[in-house]
Amino acid sequence: GAGVSQSPRYKVAKRGQDVALRCDPISGHVSLFWYQQALGQGPEFLTYFQNEAQLDKSGLPSDRFFAERPEGSVSTLKIQRTQQEDSAVYLCASSRTGQGDTEAFFGQGTRLTVV
Amino acid sequence: GENVEQHPSTLSVQEGDSAVIKCTYSDSASNYFPWYKQELGKRPQLIIDIRSNVGEKKDQRIAVTLNKTAKHFSLHITETQPEDSAVYFCAAILYGSARQLTFGSGTQLTVLP
Repeated sequence: GAGVSQSPRYKVAKRGQDVALRCDPISGHVSLFWYQQALGQGPEFLTYFQNEAQLDKSGLPSDRFFAERPEGSVSTLKIQRTQQEDSAVYLCASSRTGQGDTEAFFGQGTRLTVV
Repeated sequence: GENVEQHPSTLSVQEGDSAVIKCTYSDSASNYFPWYKQELGKRPQLIIDIRSNVGEKKDQRIAVTLNKTAKHFSLHITETQPEDSAVYFCAAILYGSARQLTFGSGTQLTVLP
């Protein structure tokens, strides 16, 4: 596709509900990142995939957060038993290589509101 | 891990004036420093980047300088225009690590007409 696509754009979840956020990276991009952006803050790293391998999940805030990229393209971030503090914009980014110095292209994000 | 601090958090300038945003980083091994612009409700977009083997890079009205010894880098925008109003984020990463960009907390730039 032309860019990184995320769905849904907006999600309202009741506390305790499970949610799944989808990311379609740019075709052929090796690296895929998930970030969490709270209002008025910079993106905070959650997890990183190189192709289908999850190489870093050190930013996931709890075991309620789980991410996968089974075929090395589309990725899903799942949050179980959502809490109010999970409310944020979840950004996905992809980059062409696994070298870390190529541009990361961001999706428009999914705004999650937990009520 | 890497820690990036960004100042100021808000900046207002008159149209036509220059704006400077500064960042410091903690990991001396970091060697790639991109800057992202995020307009309200939109995705962050790369506007300029610099690698540690150069001290300055310029692209029209935007320039970035890097001081490796002091571990700080700055974004300079000259002849500011209202469309420059946005949140700007600096970031740092170790080339080849492909792990994660560490972002600063952002600067809300407002260009007053």
